[in-house]
Amino acid sequence: SQTIHQWPATLVQPVGSPLSLECTVEGTSNPNLYWYRQAAGRGLQLLFYSVGIGQISSEVPQNLSASRPQDRQFILSSKKLLLSDSGFYLCAWRPRTGSTDTQYFGPGTRLTVL
Amino acid sequence: AQSVTQPDIHITVSEGASLELRCNYSYGATPYLFWYVQSPGQGLQLLLKYFSGDTLVQGIKGFEAEFKRSQSSFNLRKPSVHWSDAAEYFCAVGARGSARQLTFGSGTQLTVLP
Repeated sequence: SQTIHQWPATLVQPVGSPLSLECTVEGTSNPNLYWYRQAAGRGLQLLFYSVGIGQISSEVPQNLSASRPQDRQFILSSKKLLLSDSGFYLCAWRPRTGSTDTQYFGPGTRLTVL
Repeated sequence: AQSVTQPDIHITVSEGASLELRCNYSYGATPYLFWYVQSPGQGLQLLLKYFSGDTLVQGIKGFEAEFKRSQSSFNLRKPSVHWSDAAEYFCAVGARGSARQLTFGSGTQLTVLP
């Protein structure tokens, strides 16, 4: 069966520091991968998605970036964090092929920027 | 572009009572529709999904939802709520054939009274 991992689970970082969040998927090949952010009391905002290694689509202009160095690895980064980057970050995957378009979510990373 | 509206930010029900969470969507064709549940500090778990066929879909944990094209709705129901159902519920719409896919509503927080 497929599983998705995110780490770290929680992170507290000062403003201006760099960020690296990692997401990995097991048990599947060539998945579509997604990064979402969930701010307090708000819904989910799609940040980036990827349909293959090195292929990143950005949904919202911001100081975050994403990379996909391996087929089942998706990384969210920032060179300098802002207070507004605080939130709950969720990674998700979806089968590239097949009739289902269902996305499956990881456990999330709680980021607090102070 | 598709959009989702969940008009109820917060709903409170007594344990054992019936539940209906509302979801309205905007999309130019027949959409993919999803309901996810999120417990505090957790990722999103898929409750059920509609792709085609029978407009009444059954999900996990005793939930069901009905797709009504004429009303652009996909309301979530449960005949008898359990205390463990307290969580936040998200409706999402997907564009067929799109890698970008899901657009989420802002969520409905469910409180269950003993």
